[in-house]
Amino acid sequence: DTAVSQTPKYLVTQMGNDKSIKCEQNLGHDTMYWYKQDSKKFLKIMFSYNNKELIINETVPNRFSPKSPDKAHLNLHINSLELGDSAVYFCASSRGQAQTNTEAFFGQGTRLTVV
Amino acid sequence: KQEVTQIPAALSVPEGENLVLNCSFTDSAIYNLQWFRQDPGKGLTSLLLIQSSQREQTSGRLNASLDKSSGRSTLYIAASQPGDSATYLCAALGPSGSRLTFGEGTQLTVNP
Repeated sequence: DTAVSQTPKYLVTQMGNDKSIKCEQNLGHDTMYWYKQDSKKFLKIMFSYNNKELIINETVPNRFSPKSPDKAHLNLHINSLELGDSAVYFCASSRGQAQTNTEAFFGQGTRLTVV
Repeated sequence: KQEVTQIPAALSVPEGENLVLNCSFTDSAIYNLQWFRQDPGKGLTSLLLIQSSQREQTSGRLNASLDKSSGRSTLYIAASQPGDSATYLCAALGPSGSRLTFGEGTQLTVNP
C-alpha cells in the first residue's frame, strides 16, 4: 500500500488553464504539506496543513489554493497556469505537530509542464 | 530563517569506496534532521532520521551523525555500490514548527 499517493503523476497543460493535483495519505498523519521542486532540484515548502487548518503559507501566489477536505487529503488547485509553474510538486505528511521524532513521508511527485 | 547547505554538489566514486556527504544548517534549534534519497524521476525515500538529542543513527551501510552545536550532519556510506547512485538530500525540521528546510542535494554516482 502506498503511504502518500499523488495523482496525476504527469500533467501537461497550456498556459492559462486551471488544474488540480490530488494527494492522499493512509498513515493516519495529522500534518500534510506541498513542496515544489524546481529545475535545479531544490525543494521548497509551499503549504502546510495540520488537522485541516492552514499553518504555513510560504508566500505562494494566490493562484495556488490548497484544499484539505479531511486529514487524509490535501489537494492543490492552480489557476491561470504560467510557464514558470512548471516543476515537480511533492505532497508529504507527518505525524502531528513537530516533535523530535517527527518523520516526513513523501509522495512520488507530480511533474507539471506548462506549454 | 533556516538555511541548509550540502557539500559537495556532486560526487563520483568507484565501487567499494567509503564516502561522506556533508550537510550544514544555520539555526541549531532544530527538532531533527532527516536524510533522503531521490532517484531520477522519483519521489523522496527517507533513509535516516536523527533526533535533536541524538548523535548518530545507523541503517545497514549508512551512518548519519549530528552535531547540533556546530550545525553539521554527515551521511557516511560504507562500501558503496552502483545502486547507491542517486541524489541525497538532507532536511532540518524546525524550529518554526512544521517546516522541513532542504539542502540542494548531493548527486552521487558510484561507478562499477
